Amino acid sequence: EVQLVQSGAEVKKPGESLKISCKGSGYNFASYWIGWVRQMPGKGLEWMGIMNPVNSDNRYSPSFRGQVSISVDKSISTAYLQWSSLKASDTAVYYCARRPSTTGAPFDYWGQGTLVSVSS
Amino acid sequence: QSALTQPPSASGSPGQSVTISCTGTSSDVGGYNYISWYQQHPGKAPKLMIYEVTKRPSGVPDRFSGSKSGNTASLTVSGLQAEDEADYYCSAYAGTNTPYVFGTGTKVTVL
Repeated sequence: EVQLVQSGAEVKKPGESLKISCKGSGYNFASYWIGWVRQMPGKGLEWMGIMNPVNSDNRYSPSFRGQVSISVDKSISTAYLQWSSLKASDTAVYYCARRPSTTGAPFDYWGQGTLVSVSS
Repeated sequence: QSALTQPPSASGSPGQSVTISCTGTSSDVGGYNYISWYQQHPGKAPKLMIYEVTKRPSGVPDRFSGSKSGNTASLTVSGLQAEDEADYYCSAYAGTNTPYVFGTGTKVTVL
């Protein structure tokens, strides 16, 4: 069974750093890109970026480039989303999702989401 | 890249059909046949319902169907059931550097 299991909820202060994780199982982790999607409270889905676990090739949405960093450790089938300095506006649920390597492929499996709350 | 435009809400009675539109541009919806639709129940992760405009993943009921004409894609849910009440998001491919553009989302209510 394909599963993407994300790390637990986080409560942080503005200016703090954070790294959340997404562990894949039940499939060949290296054969699928991993993406991250933000959902702010009561709002829609926003694509943040994707990464190829094989060679770390990546794409970022212009809205998130320079604001977050995506990485993977294929040895432990885990992807990460990282902030160096959080802002209150980063408060949201963050989903990881798997994407087949073919052009135009959708996100076919999703993690359960990680709630990040940033407040002073 | 702007979000694709969806109506905020749609509704229908059990057994009826509801169609949700997703309007973009020739650079995304109109440019490629890579349109996906996701269903999201409150507090849950999105679930893939349609991909490549018309294809359904294994396990998705055939009550869900997709189509596209020009810069507008559509999702139709036939024979509405109570469990279809959810938020629905479209997504379109807009090129190698922008593989995903999401729609604004539509809340479907089963009356």
